[in-house]
Amino acid sequence: QKEVEQNSGPLSVPEGAIASLNCTYSDRGSQSFFWYRQYSGKSPELIMSIYSNGDKEDGRFTAQLNKASQYVSLLIRDSQPSDSATYLCAVITGSGTYKYIFGTGTRLKVLA
Amino acid sequence: GAGVSQSPRYKVAKRGQDVALRCDPISGHVSLFWYQQALGQGPEFLTYFQNEAQLDKSGLPSDRFFAERPEGSVSTLKIQRTQQEDSAVYLCASSLAWGQGALENTIYFGEGSWLTVV
Repeated sequence: QKEVEQNSGPLSVPEGAIASLNCTYSDRGSQSFFWYRQYSGKSPELIMSIYSNGDKEDGRFTAQLNKASQYVSLLIRDSQPSDSATYLCAVITGSGTYKYIFGTGTRLKVLA
Repeated sequence: GAGVSQSPRYKVAKRGQDVALRCDPISGHVSLFWYQQALGQGPEFLTYFQNEAQLDKSGLPSDRFFAERPEGSVSTLKIQRTQQEDSAVYLCASSLAWGQGALENTIYFGEGSWLTVV
């Protein structure tokens, strides 16, 4: 079992819809969770971080964390074609460590 | 500079050639990471520096890979006797420090060095 798992997609949604991206992780002691966006040929850029159970909203983005179920999700409201990219989930496993473990990413396509 | 800077951006190496990839982190950032990203995959951890100390090199795939950060700022990743399986994007990232706070933990990536071994 991979430490961080994501559906590779592609996930296709129409413009204006909500895109829902999911990620599960195996280390129950994980404390820090991140979503990165990566456009083709570009480096990952941080969208959001989340540390506590529940929802965290930032503009059109909402991160959701459920430590009991070991999943973290990202919702993108009012999806735009410019949101088309690969979304990487990253987890810092355990406490006091520094190693980001990345999933393979989910490719999102927003259809105009 | 404002962001993490990497060079060269693109490198084509003949199999067996040695390559050196350079990373200039964000000014003042203590922590520096190297990741390897193969096509269609997420970044894979290679190594971690805190200032000049290499605290973790567990992700380096073989003894052909070597990284250094002698003065605690610029870092170089060296790959000796390159093989085709080394073809990937090599991403450097830095963070302010490493602690419990969100600010310290957030890592920022450079644009990457695209290595193709032919």
